[in-house]
Amino acid sequence: DTGVSQDPRHKITKRGQNVTFRCDPISEHNRLYWYRQTLGQGPEFLTYFQNEAQLEKSRLLSDRFSAERPKGSFSTLEIQRTEQGDSAMYLCASSSGLAGYSDTQYFGPGTRLTVL
Amino acid sequence: SQQGEEDPQALSIQEGENATMNCSYKTSINNLQWYRQNSGRGLVHLILIRSNEREKHSGRLRVTLDTSKKSSSLLITASRAADTASYFCAPSKAAGNKLTFGGGTRVLVKP
Repeated sequence: DTGVSQDPRHKITKRGQNVTFRCDPISEHNRLYWYRQTLGQGPEFLTYFQNEAQLEKSRLLSDRFSAERPKGSFSTLEIQRTEQGDSAMYLCASSSGLAGYSDTQYFGPGTRLTVL
Repeated sequence: SQQGEEDPQALSIQEGENATMNCSYKTSINNLQWYRQNSGRGLVHLILIRSNEREKHSGRLRVTLDTSKKSSSLLITASRAADTASYFCAPSKAAGNKLTFGGGTRVLVKP
């Protein structure tokens, strides 16, 4: 257990439905990252936050995807009008983000999304 | 893209043998991180090596970095069945920046 938690662990939804995932980073970690991983592939970067500011978004993140970190603590990732191609493991990671501290990113267990 | 690319894609060894996997990347980096992932599980951080470091050790793991060749290697010594997993390298262009993963090396350690 790295200290990063994600909820839910599994989500099955029908195409066209909206889904929302939550990530709780390690306490006091300033940086929070979202990645997506499909079967047999490495994780792909989606977006990341420094406190509540969203600093970078991947081109993979279409306008159906939105992420927030309203108070600089937990984050949510929402997918609207899900498509079968959205089926994947969604991974969250956090790092300290402070100068002089490790840049190690600690990953949560992931949320596995299946779109039927 | 600075995406890490691991080689080989798959590796099968006997318990007790050493396993070596390599990682190449394309652009300058601030640091490179190695992760392990058991099937269907999250990623476990193994080692972070900075661009000004050449070698780091952690238990049975040894990581090297050659910035002139833009490559890194992960050595697992005296492998165990529990080391069976996928291993990923992830270079990062700047401190705290996103990680870019390759497809990983799938290691099978046979008892």
